[in-house]
Amino acid sequence: NAGVTQTPKFRILKIGQSMTLQCAQDMNHNYMYWYRQDPGMGLKLIYYSVGAGITDKGEVPNGYNVSRSTTEDFPLRLELAAPSQTSVYFCASSYGGGAGGYNEQFFGPGTRLTVL
Amino acid sequence: GIQVEQSPPDLILQEGANSTLRCNFSDSVNNLQWFHQNPWGQLINLFYIPSGTKQNGRLSATTVATERYSLLYISSSQTTDSGVYFCAVEGDAGNNRKLIWGLGTSLAVNP
Repeated sequence: NAGVTQTPKFRILKIGQSMTLQCAQDMNHNYMYWYRQDPGMGLKLIYYSVGAGITDKGEVPNGYNVSRSTTEDFPLRLELAAPSQTSVYFCASSYGGGAGGYNEQFFGPGTRLTVL
Repeated sequence: GIQVEQSPPDLILQEGANSTLRCNFSDSVNNLQWFHQNPWGQLINLFYIPSGTKQNGRLSATTVATERYSLLYISSSQTTDSGVYFCAVEGDAGNNRKLIWGLGTSLAVNP
């Protein structure tokens, strides 16, 4: 199993450009998440999905959009990139939610995004 | 919402030393995970431990859910243990779906 994969690893955008960060998992997990990590901080949740066709906002959703058309893929779209979106983006997945071990989250390697 | 505090914020060790990292949380949880973020930024799952004790090699963790804290023990530290250690929790109230993260403990192990 590849686990959670993310592309690209690095990207530089100009202000106002758009891009899509790709995330895929091959563990047949139902839940997927997007987080961002700013320097010296823990991670903050942007969006999450509990299954194909279902998405919901996290703590910091402004400036981002997501879709979940398949169980495996959960792309994150940045529209009109701004310097405040310079960050490291992590995708994660879990089998489910709630207690009992189903909610253990597994993380991808991250995408380092700079907006100039 | 649930608050997560980690201590100490920074730690410097000589290779071979032992250490204990602490994570306090403000409400009951149904998920607590410890991660190591290495100097290249990769997040590595260490433990899924909402309660009880687990061990994996030189690392072990204990969560006392009733007292709302978790401890991560590193024994015989090595330079490869350097990096930031994060504690993250998911509250068990309502429809929570997110991990709330502490600010981490930055560990440097010197040879």
